[in-house]
Order: sequence, then structure tokens, then C-alpha cells
Amino acid sequence: QSVLTQPPSASGTPGQRVTISCSGSSSNIGGNTVNWYQHLPGTAPKLLIYGNNQRPSGVPDRFSGSKSGTSASLAISGLQSEDEADYYCAAWDDSLNGYVFGTGTKVTVL
Amino acid sequence: EVQVLESGGGLVQPGGSLRLSCAASGFTFSNYAFSWVRQAPGKGLEWVSAISGSGGSTYYADSVKGRFTISRDNSRNTLYLQMNSLRAEDTAVYSCAKSRVSGSRALDVWGQGTTVTVSS
Repeated sequence: QSVLTQPPSASGTPGQRVTISCSGSSSNIGGNTVNWYQHLPGTAPKLLIYGNNQRPSGVPDRFSGSKSGTSASLAISGLQSEDEADYYCAAWDDSLNGYVFGTGTKVTVL
Repeated sequence: EVQVLESGGGLVQPGGSLRLSCAASGFTFSNYAFSWVRQAPGKGLEWVSAISGSGGSTYYADSVKGRFTISRDNSRNTLYLQMNSLRAEDTAVYSCAKSRVSGSRALDVWGQGTTVTVSS
């Protein structure tokens, strides 16, 4: 049972904008930075966003992150077929003294 | 090329033990903290444990605390996860992942994972 809650699924047509939410608490998102990962089954997860809204080198600017209070969001603009994957938010939790992943959101490109 | 490669997975009976290894190359291993992350069949990602670059600080998920031990050998550029008292619910693909920079919790380099199956 994860302490970070995400919607189980999201979808859109090519070119559309999709937003994924991540809800936490003061001990995790409220007090620490949020990271986002993209995971295609059978492959290694990929760091998509770090520090709430920073993109590692090589990540398209179609991906953007934001944080407000105890919630965070990942937006994918100009949705492409290769964006079909599972997406996870993550943050350090001061109460658990550990890193926590969100429940995960499966993005489908219609 | 920066990469990490896990090994040591396999089939083990409930109550048994297994040691996973993660060999790193392409960067100064001791400069970075590492984590183990697992994914059970049909489930999401679950953080298991983390260790600082020096090895002096370790952290565990409640689900494995007291049963798993994370360690590293900076002279061999290798990370370990000793898993004892294994349970069926520990069945998963275990991946090691490197922290992006010192002090960061973001994991920027991941291995493909090694499969652990706990079953009689």
C-alpha cells in the first residue's frame, strides 16, 4: 500500500495533453522533491523528471513536472505512441525514513 | 558507458537466503548512493533499500527491515543485497539503481534486474 496515490490509468489521442496526479502528505511530497519515472514492462525504468520539474539530458521537453503543497503532477504534451508506458512518482518520506513510489499510472495512446 | 548489472537471482524456498550483486562501471562508484527497487508480478515499483556512497548509512523499507541487508564494496565497484528469511511475497524482479548526484534521491541509472522467486 503506497503512501503516494496516482490514478491507475490515463489516456489520450496522439497530439493531446495528458496529466497525471500524485497525492502525498507533508512527510513526503510536502517536504521533499518529487521525481518521475517512465517504465515500459521488461525494460529498466527511466528517470523522467527530478527535483519536481527538472528534465535529465535527453528527455523531451514534452514532459514537464510541477508540485504544489502535498501534490505533484506530470504533464505530457503532444502525446506520442512511444509514450505508452507506466509512470511513477516518487519522493523521500521523512516519517518512513525511506523512498516511496506512487501507485503507478498506465498511459494509453488511443 | 555508465551501466549497472545485477546478478544472483534464482529460485529459493520460503525461509531461505539469497545474495544479489550489482556490478557498476563507467563512473566513480564510491561517489554515489545506490538503491534496490523491486517489482512483483503484476505490481508496481517498490523501493527496498538504499546505501550511501561510503556505505556508512543504510535505509530499509519496513517490509524487509530485519531480513535484508544492503552493503557495498567500493574497491570492487559492487553493490549487494543479502536477503534472509525469504517469503513468497518477496518474489519480484530486483533492480539496482544509482542516485543521480550525491545527496539526490533521484535514480538515474538502472539495471535490467534479476528475478527472485520464492516458492516451495
